[in-house]
Amino acid sequence: GQNIDQPTEMTATEGAIVQINCTYQTSGFNGLFWYQQHAGEAPTFLSYNVLDGLEEKGRFSSFLSRSKGYSYLLLKELQMKDSASYLCAVMDSNYQLIWGAGTKLIIKP
Amino acid sequence: IAGITQAPTSQILAAGRRMTLRCTQDMRHNAMYWYRQDLGLGLRLIHYSNTAGTTGKGEVPDGYSVSRANTDDFPLTLASAVPSQTSVYFCASSGEGSSTEAFFGQGTRLTVV
Repeated sequence: GQNIDQPTEMTATEGAIVQINCTYQTSGFNGLFWYQQHAGEAPTFLSYNVLDGLEEKGRFSSFLSRSKGYSYLLLKELQMKDSASYLCAVMDSNYQLIWGAGTKLIIKP
Repeated sequence: IAGITQAPTSQILAAGRRMTLRCTQDMRHNAMYWYRQDLGLGLRLIHYSNTAGTTGKGEVPDGYSVSRANTDDFPLTLASAVPSQTSVYFCASSGEGSSTEAFFGQGTRLTVV
């Protein structure tokens, strides 16, 4: 079966750095996405990785290792507004997105 | 309209009733999707459409139907609602290419009682 695993919840301090991990087992691989979802709102796109390595976008970076079936989202200089759920999704061989359950990130002052 | 719009935003529905959730996008995206999101579970695909006139079944299609008469609209119908269909429903669309992000509507919170 297809599976995406990410931690259920993480807590971090304002101004710090946090890394949210995602491991996957899917039928084929056509890229990995990270989305942010604030409570009661729709998911919004953060990043896309299809090749191994690190993609940096301001305070957010995403890393991919296809051989390990592993990705992480790195958030730097955390702000209170970063409190949200972070969803990992993999596009499989049929070009369908398989979603993880999401990681709820709590930022404390 | 800017982006993708769903209606209604929330609804309480008696079991056994029929309900259509509406979804409209103005981005001229070919692909559209319906997901349900339940606590502790990832987004689960109900139905999808790769282009106007075609639809396909996702992971959890039972009890739901869709149509895609044109590019902009992708309604989801519950023929006879059951309490297990209580969920938050998201409509999404995406353009061409595997790297293209999906854009989501604001969601419909449906409670079946």
